[in-house]
Amino acid sequence: RKEVEQDPGPFNVPEGATVAFNCTYSNSASQSFFWYRQDCRKEPKLLMSVYSSGNEDGRFTAQLNRASQYISLLIRDSKLSDSATYLCVVTANSGNTPLVFGKGTRLSVIA
Amino acid sequence: GAVVSQHPSWVICKSGTSVKIECRSLDFQATTMFWYRQFPKQSLMLMATSNEGSKATYEQGVEKDKFLINHASLTLSTLTVTSAHPEDSSFYICSASETSGLEPFFGPGTRLTVL
Repeated sequence: RKEVEQDPGPFNVPEGATVAFNCTYSNSASQSFFWYRQDCRKEPKLLMSVYSSGNEDGRFTAQLNRASQYISLLIRDSKLSDSATYLCVVTANSGNTPLVFGKGTRLSVIA
Repeated sequence: GAVVSQHPSWVICKSGTSVKIECRSLDFQATTMFWYRQFPKQSLMLMATSNEGSKATYEQGVEKDKFLINHASLTLSTLTVTSAHPEDSSFYICSASETSGLEPFFGPGTRLTVL
């Protein structure tokens, strides 16, 4: 079983749609969770950290279910600029421990 | 936020040559930096952990004699791909964290093409 699994997509959605991505992780010792966004041929950029209580940042909502080892990202009112690959990332601890990346879910928002 | 730079951003070289990639933390000190590699349509894979003042820790399957890592200061780690071959063509990205407990920041990556 892979450490971090994501549906690769692609998800093709119209502007304004709501789309949800899921991710599962295998290491129960994982402590920190993130969603990164990666545009083609660019480095990953942090979208948001994921907290146990769930957190929201504008149109983006992230949730964590430790019991099921499951993370989700919800994007509301999709914009064309949201088109990218979304990477689910976990680490045993934050800071000086390496990140484990999922393969990413590709999103295309269509006009 | 913290900034990590990489140089060069892209390089094309002939097979058999060596290529050095630099990763710098511009406004913070990083005792640990990480080197990742990403092949097309694949996820980022950790290659090695670079520790300032000591030897790097390599992931299984990554040849330490081929990918030389030097972390000589708290703001600079270098990755040298020795005797590069076409199969080494990839996107190499480094990351560093400001302090323990904060998410890491990524350099912009170096795209290596070996002819």
